[in-house]
Amino acid sequence: DAGVTQSPTHLIKTRGQQVTLRCSPKSGHDTVSWYQQALGQGPQFIFQYYEEEERQRGNFPDRFSGHQFPNYSSELNVNALLLGDSALYLCASSLGGTQYFGPGTRLTVL
Amino acid sequence: KQEVTQIPAALSVPEGENLVLNCSFTDSAIYNLQWFRQDPGKGLTSLLLIQSSQREQTSGRLNASLDKSSGRSTLYIAASQPGDSATYLCAVKANQAGTALIFGKGTTLSVSS
Repeated sequence: DAGVTQSPTHLIKTRGQQVTLRCSPKSGHDTVSWYQQALGQGPQFIFQYYEEEERQRGNFPDRFSGHQFPNYSSELNVNALLLGDSALYLCASSLGGTQYFGPGTRLTVL
Repeated sequence: KQEVTQIPAALSVPEGENLVLNCSFTDSAIYNLQWFRQDPGKGLTSLLLIQSSQREQTSGRLNASLDKSSGRSTLYIAASQPGDSATYLCAVKANQAGTALIFGKGTTLSVSS
């Protein structure tokens, strides 16, 4: 079992651009959650997808959007990037219980 | 609104010491509490999960306790090793349906040989 995988590992963008991050859940997991972790902070919940629908959302602006595919993989899209969007973006998958985290994508906005 | 606080923010100890990391939460109505380890720039590794009905969980040199009524949890690390150096994060889950984890800022541990 490959566990939760995320791509890309690192990404550099400039202000105003758009970015798409990808997550493949652990085998058999049907739920994907996304978190943002700024430097020196704990992860902050962005949203969660289950059965291709957004089930729960944290306190993030509409610039942050997502999608879940029929194979349960997921994408996180961020539009109109701001310097403050620079962070480690973590994906976690679950099957009704414990969340398993991926290695994250480091996004740097210049 | 649930808030999770971890004390201390950083801790340095010599190898072999026993140590305690603290986590407190403001709303005692939690479903479970989880301790994670994070190496620099990496993802999270789950260490221990305590259900709200449990008092403690143990795994090897790690022991986590939960006092839900007082809103506190501790992570005890016995006989610390340099390989234990990492950031330790505490997270609570409000209920089974509300599946978002609410994290503290973590405690960064450095164990010197």
